[in-house]
Amino acid sequence: QQQVKQSPQSLIVQKGGISIINCAYENTAFDYFPWYQQFPGKGPALLIAIRPDVSEKKEGRFTISFNKSAKQFSLHIMDSQPGDSATYFCAARARILGGADGLTFGKGTHLIIQP
Amino acid sequence: NAGVTQTPKFQVLKTGQSMTLQCAQDMNHNSMYWYRQDPGMGLRLIYYSASEGTTDKGEVPNGYNVSRLNKREFSLRLESAAPSQTSVYFCASSELGPLHFGNGTRLTVT
Repeated sequence: QQQVKQSPQSLIVQKGGISIINCAYENTAFDYFPWYQQFPGKGPALLIAIRPDVSEKKEGRFTISFNKSAKQFSLHIMDSQPGDSATYFCAARARILGGADGLTFGKGTHLIIQP
Repeated sequence: NAGVTQTPKFQVLKTGQSMTLQCAQDMNHNSMYWYRQDPGMGLRLIYYSASEGTTDKGEVPNGYNVSRLNKREFSLRLESAAPSQTSVYFCASSELGPLHFGNGTRLTVT
């Protein structure tokens, strides 16, 4: 059972355009929704995150939009640059007994920004 | 300023061989995790350790064992490797916040 569904699987955007990646979740116990960015040969790194009590969070060119009633959230990359080319993962957290962070990841979006 | 360090970076095993993947973090985090990443599958949790002395199964634990050696180190063992365990393995740590990942071990089982 896939608890976090991510789309599209791959995305090509022209330089300067807006990249949009969408995720949907099912478990209402999720309390934290991060996005991770991964470059080839590297581990994922936290990009931006949101909690369900806000509808939008912006950090520079990156914005998360969150719709609690629809159980959906999305990442928008404004003015996309070739350096943004990477794989992006959405995730959702349900706290595990003992304090560990039980992140469930989407399957990832391979983003290519064409110059 | 190492963060999460994984060794080795690459490994090739024959079916049935065993090996241990090592992970160490220098951020004094209580929680540590092992994930595997496969094309089109995202990251799936194998085992985690909420704190020193405890370990628990994640989503895909079959064929693996773990040891939380101390607060810094969390190892993943494959007792009898199978081709289905060909993957990239990531270790991560956290302390009531975001997960910090290592750069992975690329494992091929032939």
